[in-house]
Amino acid sequence: DAGITQSPRHKVTETGTPVTLRCHQTENHRYMYWYRQDPGHGLRLIHYSYGVKDTDKGEVSDGYSVSRSKTEDFLLTLESATSSQTSVYFCAISGQGGSYNEQFFGPGTRLTVL
Amino acid sequence: GENVEQHPSTLSVQEGDSAVIKCTYSDSASNYFPWYKQELGKRPQLIIDIRSNVGEKKDQRIAVTLNKTAKHFSLHITETQPEDSAVYFCAASIKAGGYNKLIFGAGTRLAVHP
Repeated sequence: DAGITQSPRHKVTETGTPVTLRCHQTENHRYMYWYRQDPGHGLRLIHYSYGVKDTDKGEVSDGYSVSRSKTEDFLLTLESATSSQTSVYFCAISGQGGSYNEQFFGPGTRLTVL
Repeated sequence: GENVEQHPSTLSVQEGDSAVIKCTYSDSASNYFPWYKQELGKRPQLIIDIRSNVGEKKDQRIAVTLNKTAKHFSLHITETQPEDSAVYFCAASIKAGGYNKLIFGAGTRLAVHP
């Protein structure tokens, strides 16, 4: 697997609390992505980054923010967690080896909001 | 917005049979079509991809075909084995704001019975 780690791997939190998920890569890839995976919906893009401090919204960005202060780290924050944000969150990276399309996924974070 | 439809949602085959999963996409500018395999509790793994300048690509027992006119592409797995059992996702690239993103289908759960 590409050098991608996510932390924490599991988290249980309560409605209304802020939550930050971290994605860390050692591949020096330019692009990083946050997806959520829910039954029947596949993988849906929350936010993505095309460089340090350069981010943009995906298709399900409401209630989420991101930051990328270093090439290797991409943080996803749930400003005030809701039960509808219970999901599995995957980070992905791409951009090395001449292809800007191939994406490689991290191990995922299972988040439960009570 | 752009979308990718994937069929069937579940597929059950006997070991040794072939399996076919089909996807259609809406953005005529899409030029990259990857397929991912996700085993239970694991991350999605890229298994094969195809670009719009070719119509077919093979890798051992798996192949992907692309029909750009009809805007659909398919995954073919021959001589299926129990270890092929997983959820398979198709995706299509879209360009938004000058950057490539992927739109995923909802997934197909493949069960291969010995």
